[in-house]
Amino acid sequence: DSGVTQTPKHLITATGQRVTLRCSPRSGDLSVYWYQQSLDQGLQFLIQYYNGEERAKGNILERFSAQQFPDLHSELNLSSLELGDSALYFCASSVKARGEETQYFGPGTRLLVL
Amino acid sequence: QKEVEQDPGPLSVPEGAIVSLNCTYSNSAFQYFMWYRQYSRKGPELLMYTYSSGNKEDGRFTAQVDKSSKYISLFIRDSQPSDSATYLCAVSERNTGNQFYFGTGTSLTVIP
Repeated sequence: DSGVTQTPKHLITATGQRVTLRCSPRSGDLSVYWYQQSLDQGLQFLIQYYNGEERAKGNILERFSAQQFPDLHSELNLSSLELGDSALYFCASSVKARGEETQYFGPGTRLLVL
Repeated sequence: QKEVEQDPGPLSVPEGAIVSLNCTYSNSAFQYFMWYRQYSRKGPELLMYTYSSGNKEDGRFTAQVDKSSKYISLFIRDSQPSDSATYLCAVSERNTGNQFYFGTGTSLTVIP
């Protein structure tokens, strides 16, 4: 158990809908990362937050947005969902925001868009 | 062209073998190189993190970076069945506030 929690574990929804994925980092970790993993694209970095502020942005679609709250939990919002958004979404956390730090990954949220 | 390319395998070796996993990358600006291990239905875990060229060793694992050929490798000595997993390489330009690019992963099975 990494100490990172993600809810829900599974999510099934329809195209055009909007969903929110939630992540609670390990106690004391200030940095949160979001990743998308699909069979065809592999693992893709989406976005990173550090202590409430956006620190780095990756291949995140405009239909997706994220934020980190004062209690350091983070939410990833996916809107106007398409079939291709079906994937495993991971959240990871680390103490600071430096690349050499171990990122502790949560168990992931499996999203299926029908 | 993708930022990093990785042979997906699958790779199957007998226990005790030396395993070589490789990636190539396209942008010479990448300076930070990582290897992750991902067990089935789990999140990735960072195995090795290296900066610039050279070798880095940690137990049975050795990471090697050749910036001249844009080639990174992970060697696993005395492979164990518990090493069976998918291995992902990743690259980035900077150490903080940076974009990570991942390979698609190589599936490894170590047969007892």
